[in-house]
Amino acid sequence: EAGVAQSPRYKIIEKRQSVAFWCNPISGHATLYWYQQILGQGPKLLIQFQNNGVVDDSQLPKDRFSAERLKGVDSTLKIQPAKLEDSAVYLCASSPSGGASGNTIYFGEGSWLTVV
Amino acid sequence: GDSVTQMEGPVTLSEEAFLTINCTYTATGYPSLFWYVQYPGEGLQLLLKATKADDKGSNKGFEATYRKETTSFHLEKGSVQVSDSAVYFCALIPSGGYQKVTFGTGTKLQVIP
Repeated sequence: EAGVAQSPRYKIIEKRQSVAFWCNPISGHATLYWYQQILGQGPKLLIQFQNNGVVDDSQLPKDRFSAERLKGVDSTLKIQPAKLEDSAVYLCASSPSGGASGNTIYFGEGSWLTVV
Repeated sequence: GDSVTQMEGPVTLSEEAFLTINCTYTATGYPSLFWYVQYPGEGLQLLLKATKADDKGSNKGFEATYRKETTSFHLEKGSVQVSDSAVYFCALIPSGGYQKVTFGTGTKLQVIP
C-alpha cells in the first residue's frame, strides 16, 4: 500500500515570497490533515478535511495560509507571504473515514521549509 | 479540552538499558491512544496503539498499556539500541466525532553505545 506522498521535500525561500506544498493521501482515506511542526516541538494541526470539506481550521493563520482539497483527494497548502517564523516541517497525514476511534493516522515524510 | 502530557527529555540511556517514557492524558470517554516515533529528518511513524482500557500495544520490542484508572499510556522497552534514538510522541484520538489528534510535546531519546 502506497503511503502519504508529499512534495517538495525541501524548500528554501526568502521572506515575503510564496510557497505551495502538495499532498496525496493514501487511496480511499477520507480524512486529510496538515500539521506544522516547528523544530523541537510537537505537531500543531493547521487544517483538517473530511472529504473536500473543512472540519477544523481554527489554528490556520488565514491571513497568509490557505489550503484546499481538490475533489476530496489531493491537497495543497499555500503560504503567502512567508515569514521567518513559518520555518518548519509541514506534515500531511490521512486516515480512513467514519470517525471511528482507533483508526490510525498515517503521516507523510514532511516538507521542510526554511524562510530566510 | 483533550490534552497529552509527556515526560520532558532528552532522555539519555546506555545501550541495553530499560526505557520508560511517561505519558498521561486528559479526555472524556474512551479515547484511542498512540505512540508515534520520529527519526531524524523523517516524518512521524506509528509505533503502537491501543483502543480500549487494558489493551497492550506492542511493536519492535516496545510496549504500552492503556490504563484507564491512571489515565496513562507509558512507553517501555526492555533493552534499547542505538537505532532507537529518536523523538517519541504520545497522542490521543477522542472517541466519536471527527478524528482530531492531540499530540504531546515529544520526548527525545538518545541511546549511547
